[in-house]
Amino acid sequence: AQTVTQSQPEMSVQEAETVTLSCTYDTSENNYYLFWYKQPPSRQMILVIRQEAYKQQNATENRFSVNFQKAAKSFSLKISDSQLGDTAMYFCAFMKRPQGAQKLVFGQGTRLTINP
Amino acid sequence: EAGVVQSPRYKIIEKKQPVAFWCNPISGHNTLYWYLQNLGQGPELLIRYENEEAVDDSQLPKDRFSAERLKGVDSTLKIQPAELGDSAVYLCASSLRTTYEQYFGPGTRLTVT
Repeated sequence: AQTVTQSQPEMSVQEAETVTLSCTYDTSENNYYLFWYKQPPSRQMILVIRQEAYKQQNATENRFSVNFQKAAKSFSLKISDSQLGDTAMYFCAFMKRPQGAQKLVFGQGTRLTINP
Repeated sequence: EAGVVQSPRYKIIEKKQPVAFWCNPISGHNTLYWYLQNLGQGPELLIRYENEEAVDDSQLPKDRFSAERLKGVDSTLKIQPAELGDSAVYLCASSLRTTYEQYFGPGTRLTVT
């Protein structure tokens, strides 16, 4: 079974600062996806960024980037130039990568607050 | 394009009462998921459907929970009878069977008193 651990229950930074959220995971699989999801107070989960385990290059989406360390089973999210709208719960998630859709295994989440 | 629709958004019931949640996935999405999200936790899968077939229901407490997806489109999740510990958010998501990206609905927040 796979497990995902987020060791930072809460983080708070000032607007425009850079913040890094940590995530570690445990799996015996070699082929998988890792994700960061954002959940604002509206509760709707929004996909922020995706990383495929076979790709060495770290994924980047505008202000969001990841640091994927496969050997260490670490997957951190960096948010640059943070904005008030980034305030939300952030969940790290794992998905096996056979053919077709699979379930997501989520971490416990990190509550991120961006202060004006 | 409409997203995943769930209703109701909020539900308050007394313990031992039945309750049902409804989910309408994105048009054309053949995979549908129900996740349970306890307060302060990440979601956990309850059941996954491929069309009308439940292909992963190992985490569904079958003594009180049931689900159906008639005609492979809309889905209903039922709890009977509800217990205090069932208070949580119930999230529905959908995806194409061949892709990784899941699209989530806004969830139903259930409070059992």
